[in-house]
Amino acid sequence: SYELTQPLSVSVALGQTARITCGGNNIGRKNVHWYQQKPGQAPVLVIYRDSNRPSGIPEQFSGSNSGNTATLTISRAQAGDEADYYCQVWDSNSYVFGTGTKVTVL
Amino acid sequence: EVQLVETGGGLIQPGGSLRLSCAASGLSVSSNYMTWVRQAPGKGLEWVSILYSGGSTYYADSVKGRFIISRDNSKNTLYLQMDTLRAEDTAVYYCTRDASIAYRYFDYWGQGTLVTVSS
Repeated sequence: SYELTQPLSVSVALGQTARITCGGNNIGRKNVHWYQQKPGQAPVLVIYRDSNRPSGIPEQFSGSNSGNTATLTISRAQAGDEADYYCQVWDSNSYVFGTGTKVTVL
Repeated sequence: EVQLVETGGGLIQPGGSLRLSCAASGLSVSSNYMTWVRQAPGKGLEWVSILYSGGSTYYADSVKGRFIISRDNSKNTLYLQMDTLRAEDTAVYYCTRDASIAYRYFDYWGQGTLVTVSS
């Protein structure tokens, strides 16, 4: 089965840029989606189709996807961006989620 | 505004059964691809099952043969019948909508309902 690997945690200084990677075999050939989940809340879609932001998601969130790595970038990180982030793809008639990354804003 | 509201979770003994419900408003359950996604305590997200608008159903291997997804169009409600429950089924269960048959991602999520399987 297809696997998506994310770093367990990423730390970023307030106002700086955080990059969260999602590794998978030839993931650049797939559509990658990203979700933000704050403690005790349901996940929220922040990026779909590699780099598209849903309505209401701020421009500080951006995404890219190439080769074996997709990346979610959070620019000008704020305290409110502290959360778990999950990547997700569709493979072999199944939804596959990444292992999840906890983002801490220092 | 779209709302998905899950109910039916609770404490159940191993081997028992439980039926989860997801009442939808702002969208038609029968016209959309509706799914269940779960999250064990402190763990990541795991897709469980999908019900296509045409009626086809699919399941993750971990629940195949034990869970059944269905809907009641008149009530605009999605269900998940869970039988032969195991400790590893303990999780928050989310009802979601697949936004795109082409790209396959979830744009709407319910708040989740907690299922605890324990003796």
